[in-house]
Amino acid sequence: DARVTQTPRHKVTEMGQEVTMRCQPILGHNTVFWYRQTMMQGLELLAYFRNRAPLDDSGMPKDRFSAEMPDATLATLKIQPSEPRDSAVYFCASGLVSRGHHQPQHFGDGTRLSIL
Amino acid sequence: DAKTTQPPSMDCAEGRAANLPCNHSTISGNEYVYWYRQIHSQGPQYIIHGLKNNETNEMASLIITEDRKSSTLILPHATLRDTAVYYCIVRVTTLINDYKLSFGAGTTVTVRA
Repeated sequence: DARVTQTPRHKVTEMGQEVTMRCQPILGHNTVFWYRQTMMQGLELLAYFRNRAPLDDSGMPKDRFSAEMPDATLATLKIQPSEPRDSAVYFCASGLVSRGHHQPQHFGDGTRLSIL
Repeated sequence: DAKTTQPPSMDCAEGRAANLPCNHSTISGNEYVYWYRQIHSQGPQYIIHGLKNNETNEMASLIITEDRKSSTLILPHATLRDTAVYYCIVRVTTLINDYKLSFGAGTTVTVRA
């Protein structure tokens, strides 16, 4: 089965360091989502791309987070500088908008980020 | 998106059918019912979705009441690997700029041997 691949699976770093998380969406999918999951807030949408163009990043703290899609096979989420409150599991999901319908989103297994 | 209500938790015996209820009394005519689950340490996994007809796939069956105000996800023969948090979500799929999935608290399903 095709899968969304996220790297790294785990990341521990010190406050102030740059963190880069990567996502390889399912081949042929034209939408990519970044979510963050914490115990307190649950799953929150951070950013959304369609055909590699960012359409919604209203869920991201703009001063420190950035999301890009350098090409159709790679999405990145960067945090600079990182803070302890950024500790969470970050999920990437991909999907297909086809004939005016959003097909179901498929998620990767996430990057578990700990900022000390 | 319409709000959904699910029980916080339920237990199920291995090998038996697990029936997971979801209320969505304010659902509108063009909103689909989606089910996802999240097994510990994994990302959410799509299970099934439907509009008004009952649906079945290799993972589960989805029964939607005629008035569409509630639905039931059925796992026909639960296994220990089905232990997970199950999320019922209602959303429109046909609006090109309506893409958000709103995950609530879900139902924590524990399958016991």
